Amino acid sequence: GAGVSQSPRYKVAKRGQDVALRCDPISGHVSLFWYQQALGQGPEFLTYFQNEAQLDKSGLPSDRFFAERPEGSVSTLKIQRTQQEDSAVYLCASSREKNYEQYFGPGTRLTVT
Amino acid sequence: GNSVTQMEGPVTLSEEAFLTINCTYTATGYPSLFWYVQYPGEGLQLLLKATKADDKGSNKGFEATYRKETTSFHLEKGSVQVSDSAVYFCAPAGTSYGKLTFGQGTILTVHP
Repeated sequence: GAGVSQSPRYKVAKRGQDVALRCDPISGHVSLFWYQQALGQGPEFLTYFQNEAQLDKSGLPSDRFFAERPEGSVSTLKIQRTQQEDSAVYLCASSREKNYEQYFGPGTRLTVT
Repeated sequence: GNSVTQMEGPVTLSEEAFLTINCTYTATGYPSLFWYVQYPGEGLQLLLKATKADDKGSNKGFEATYRKETTSFHLEKGSVQVSDSAVYFCAPAGTSYGKLTFGQGTILTVHP
């Protein structure tokens, strides 16, 4: 079946612009995670959804970052007033239920100039 | 929260050599443990997992054993291939829903 998909794959934004990154999880997967991966580093947790409920947003680096999953399937990560330090690959992962293995999408590479 | 220490890379080996990538972690309780792999130009893929002490995860010739007493989950392969060249991440799962904490990754390059 289809895996996790993310769009766009690449995004270049000028500093100060707002961006929206989309994640389509595997159909029927209850849990959805967002991670941020800086160049040469491991992914770092941003936020977690169980269905449409955002149960953990402790990893969001600032109030410029906002995520939603209104119908419990597709999720959007929005970054307002982008800064250069936001440049990274943003990964989305879904799992069948909590505590099951996570399947990752290809990521969106964000470059802020 | 959890933390992970992975063997520093890069690791360069000849084909058919033995591979070990060390991983130790700190965590509350006994988390499930994972190894993920990132091939060049591709996304993260689950390589193997272990969910309780003394479990051995295995896949594609790779193995790792959950060692509770040493809080370690070292990755091994008896004979690496050029196609194993990738970045490897160790990750314990924490919280009540399985949030992953990743190590910094180990770059493996295998030469023919």
